[in-house]
Amino acid sequence: EAGVTQFPSHSVIEKGQTVTLRCDPISGHDNLYWYRRVMGKEIKFLLHFVKESKQDESGMPNNRFLAERTGGTYSTLKVQPAELEDSGVYFCASSQMYDEQFFGPGTRLTVL
Amino acid sequence: AQSVTQPDIHITVSEGASLELRCNYSYGATPYLFWYVQSPGQGLQLLLKYFSGDTLVQGIKGFEAEFKRSQSSFNLRKPSVHWSDAAEYFCAVATTSGTYKYIFGTGTRLKVLA
Repeated sequence: EAGVTQFPSHSVIEKGQTVTLRCDPISGHDNLYWYRRVMGKEIKFLLHFVKESKQDESGMPNNRFLAERTGGTYSTLKVQPAELEDSGVYFCASSQMYDEQFFGPGTRLTVL
Repeated sequence: AQSVTQPDIHITVSEGASLELRCNYSYGATPYLFWYVQSPGQGLQLLLKYFSGDTLVQGIKGFEAEFKRSQSSFNLRKPSVHWSDAAEYFCAVATTSGTYKYIFGTGTRLKVLA
């Protein structure tokens, strides 16, 4: 069984540019989560999808962040325009309901 | 407010020594608790989880954790550490009211001396 995959593994962009991160969850997992870890801090929740619907986006930092989940399969997280404080590692996770979450390897985003 | 505290940012142990990583949580309801490990270049891998029942939980790679409600703790232990255990370890609590999501501690980075 394939795990959660994320693309790209690393991204270096300049302030003001746009970046799109992609996550492919485990097949059959309706729940998809995005988390972020800023250097030296804890991993923080960003948002939660159930199938294609956003259930909770309370952790999204501001309206420069836009997440979508096409047809309830893969998800994208777009940052536009990127700021320096957006640097960090973005994790995607998927799960069945009320059970362990399976995490991808993360995308390391550096904004210069 | 819900929170998870991992008081040790870095821990160094010798190979073969015992290990205990501390985790304290603050959560009003019965917590769902997890320990994850992240090795370099890898995603977070689940070591073990506690939902209910026996408070001593066995996990993969020889790890165990004990849930102590009176102390709001869920410490991770291993009797004999191997060099391959060097990694970063995360304790998390899942919120079960509202969105089911994780609240993480800041992580403990483990270094193993040969």
